[in-house]
Order: sequence, then C-alpha cells, then structure tokens
Amino acid sequence: EAQVTQNPRYLITVTGKKLTVTCSQNMNHEYMSWYRQDPGLGLRQIYYSMNVEVTDKGDVPEGYKVSRKEKRNFPLILESPSPNQTSLYFCASSPSGRQPQHFGDGTRLSIL
Amino acid sequence: GNSVTQMEGPVTLSEEAFLTINCTYTATGYPSLFWYVQYPGEGLQLLLKATKADDKGSNKGFEATYRKETTSFHLEKGSVQVSDSAVYFCALSVWDKIIFGKGTRLHILP
Repeated sequence: EAQVTQNPRYLITVTGKKLTVTCSQNMNHEYMSWYRQDPGLGLRQIYYSMNVEVTDKGDVPEGYKVSRKEKRNFPLILESPSPNQTSLYFCASSPSGRQPQHFGDGTRLSIL
Repeated sequence: GNSVTQMEGPVTLSEEAFLTINCTYTATGYPSLFWYVQYPGEGLQLLLKATKADDKGSNKGFEATYRKETTSFHLEKGSVQVSDSAVYFCALSVWDKIIFGKGTRLHILP
C-alpha cells in the first residue's frame, strides 16, 4: 500500500529536549516536505526536499532542521524545542513539487 | 510573493444545497492549483487539481476551474451531502514551494 508513515503520532515533551520526527515514504517519490498546521493559520511549509541531499526552506523554517540522506526518509529535527512549536505536523511526498502531495497521518507535538 | 486567500468559515449548508468556496491566489510564475480535503483526525487528501489556465479539475462531484484572468480557483458542488462535512484547503505550487490557504470548515446539515 502506498503510504507516508510518520512517527511518533503523538509526543509530549519539555522545552529544550531534542527530538526527531521520522517520515518515510514507499512510493519512490523525489519530493518530500514538512508542514505545520495551526488553528486559523492553515498549513505552512517548513522545509522541502526536491531530491536526495537537496533541501530548501519553506515559509517557517526557524527552529527546525531536516536531512535527506536517502530518497525514502525525511526526518524533521527540533534541536531545542520551544512551546511555540506545539503544533500538528504533516509530512508529505510527491513525484515532483508541481504534483499533488500524498500526506501522512500527522504528528501532534506538545512542548511544555 | 506567493499567497492563497480562501473564504473564511465555517460554512453551514443544508443537504442538497449548492456549494461555492472561493479561492484566489497571487504567484510569481505559473502555479499548479489544488484543492485538498481534511476529514476529522486525518491527513489531507487531494480532491482535485489543475495545472494550467482554463483547466477544470473535478472529482466526487466537486469542480474548480483555473482562471488566470481573475487569479481564482473556486470550488463548487451542485448538491452537497452530510458526508462532505470537512475542512477544505486551496493550495498552489510554484518553483517547488507549496502554499496553502487557511482552510474553510464546511458543515452540512441533514
């Protein structure tokens, strides 16, 4: 089954404790992306990757890091999480940036 | 810069009513346009897309036409059902960046 898998689905943690949200896709897609969803703000793109070893900033990259060492994986790293990063996060993939995104089920992060 | 503006919700309609959710955009270049739907507790699913001016996307009775002259991509459905209750997002893709609108929550009453 074609899918984008995010882990964990839920996480409650404390300010400053480094965390990683993993994302993996099994569709051999070139393009992968991370978004955060906040009430009243819709989805905002954090980072995206056009291919292995190629990443670029979206609209809200501050406080986040990404890496794309393999085509299928695109982890999101919060080196020093803060409460304003409490949000619902989605990973997505597609054959290219101009084609529809296939979304994961989301990761709800709470930073206390 | 690039942006998407869609009508604020919530929108509440009776079953079988006609639906329009407005979406306008600004973009540098030639964007692809999308409508996504999000059901409670789920990720987003593609509803329809259009990649160039005058293209009409359609799916599950929903339609939207890419209007370059008015920079719009309004979502329409002739007769809504209770099962259409969800949040709808308009989005554009240009130069590998993807911009979403803020979403419109739709409630359909039986």
